[in-house]
Amino acid sequence: GDSVTQMEGPVTLSEEAFLTINCTYTATGYPSLFWYVQYPGEGLQLLLKATKADDKGSNKGFEATYRKETTSFHLEKGSVQVSDSAVYFCALILPLGGSARQLTFGSGTQLTVLP
Amino acid sequence: DAGITQSPRHKVTETGTPVTLRCHQTENHRYMYWYRQDPGHGLRLIHYSYGVKDTDKGEVSDGYSVSRSKTEDFLLTLESATSSQTSVYFCAISEMDRAGYTFGSGTRLTVV
Repeated sequence: GDSVTQMEGPVTLSEEAFLTINCTYTATGYPSLFWYVQYPGEGLQLLLKATKADDKGSNKGFEATYRKETTSFHLEKGSVQVSDSAVYFCALILPLGGSARQLTFGSGTQLTVLP
Repeated sequence: DAGITQSPRHKVTETGTPVTLRCHQTENHRYMYWYRQDPGHGLRLIHYSYGVKDTDKGEVSDGYSVSRSKTEDFLLTLESATSSQTSVYFCAISEMDRAGYTFGSGTRLTVV
């Protein structure tokens, strides 16, 4: 079935380090892809998205490129900050009945950035 | 979160009791969803709604029911709570396909 696979965490980095969180997907058709971020005690917030192949989503210094040939959507940031510490979820949109769309999530990657 | 609230934020209940969680939106969005979040599983869809009185099951719907009598409210009911339903529950809304979702702040439910 359709699914999302994220790299296992937790990931611990020093401030200003380069971040990559890997995400690959399996899907029939052409899903839209998302990265969500969850700060402690909060709900999920949309970080960035891409709706078709070769699109690059970007926000707050984070980037991810929709790679159809490798079915990947890896999250990157050139220089992380302590405030980036959170759980990051990769997700894709799948069709449901009644024109609804289901967000299917990876298992999440905990990122801790040390000063 | 803008335009979406969940209540209660925390609840402890006993095994076998009924529990209802409420999601309220002020965005007039058509689609509403209930997810549960458990360690190692990410978020999994319980039920969703695509309009007033239009609801359907997600991948982990056993033991849960939902109702949507008004656009703004989507209720999740555990008819007889079990310890396996201890989780954090998130409601989400969306306006249109592929637009991404807006999530509520979650309800932490503990069944003892």
